[in-house]
Amino acid sequence: QSVLTQPPSVSAAPGQKVTISCSGSSSNIGNNYVSWYQQLPGTAPKLLIYENNKRPSGIPDRFSGSKSGTSATLGITGLQTGDEADYYCETWDSSLSAYVFGTGTKVTVL
Amino acid sequence: EVQLVESGGGLVQPGGSLRLSCAASGFTFSSYWMNWVRQPPGKGLEWVANIKEDGSEKYCVDSVKGRFTISRDNAKNSLYLQMNSLTVEDTAVYYCARGIADYWGQGTLVTVSS
Repeated sequence: QSVLTQPPSVSAAPGQKVTISCSGSSSNIGNNYVSWYQQLPGTAPKLLIYENNKRPSGIPDRFSGSKSGTSATLGITGLQTGDEADYYCETWDSSLSAYVFGTGTKVTVL
Repeated sequence: EVQLVESGGGLVQPGGSLRLSCAASGFTFSSYWMNWVRQPPGKGLEWVANIKEDGSEKYCVDSVKGRFTISRDNAKNSLYLQMNSLTVEDTAVYYCARGIADYWGQGTLVTVSS
């Protein structure tokens, strides 16, 4: 049972925008940085966003992250078929003294 | 090129033990925290444990405390996960990941079954 809640799925047509929410609490998102990962089918996760809104080298600016209070959001603009994947948020939980992942969201390009 | 290669997975009976290894190359291993993350078949990601650059600090998820031990050998550029008292709930692909998890290995499958 994850302490970070994400919608199970989101979908949109190619070229459109999707947003994925990640809801937590003051012991995790509220006081710690959030990261986002993309996991394509059958592959290892890939870091998309770290420290709430920073993109590693090589990640296109179609991917963006934000945080407000105890929630975080991943945005994907200009949706492409190659973006079909599972997406996970992650942060440190100060009460658990452990990193926690969100429940995961499957993105479908219609 | 940064590379992380896990090994040591396999089939083990409940109550058994297994030691996973992660061989790192392409970066200064001793300068990074390292992590183990697992993913049960068809399920989401679960962070397992991490270890500081010099091994002086370690953290792990409650579900593996007292059973799993993370360690590292900076001279060998290697990360380890000693897993004891394994249960069917430990069945998963185990990944090692560098620092903020900017690089991941390909994973090694651990199956706990009788």
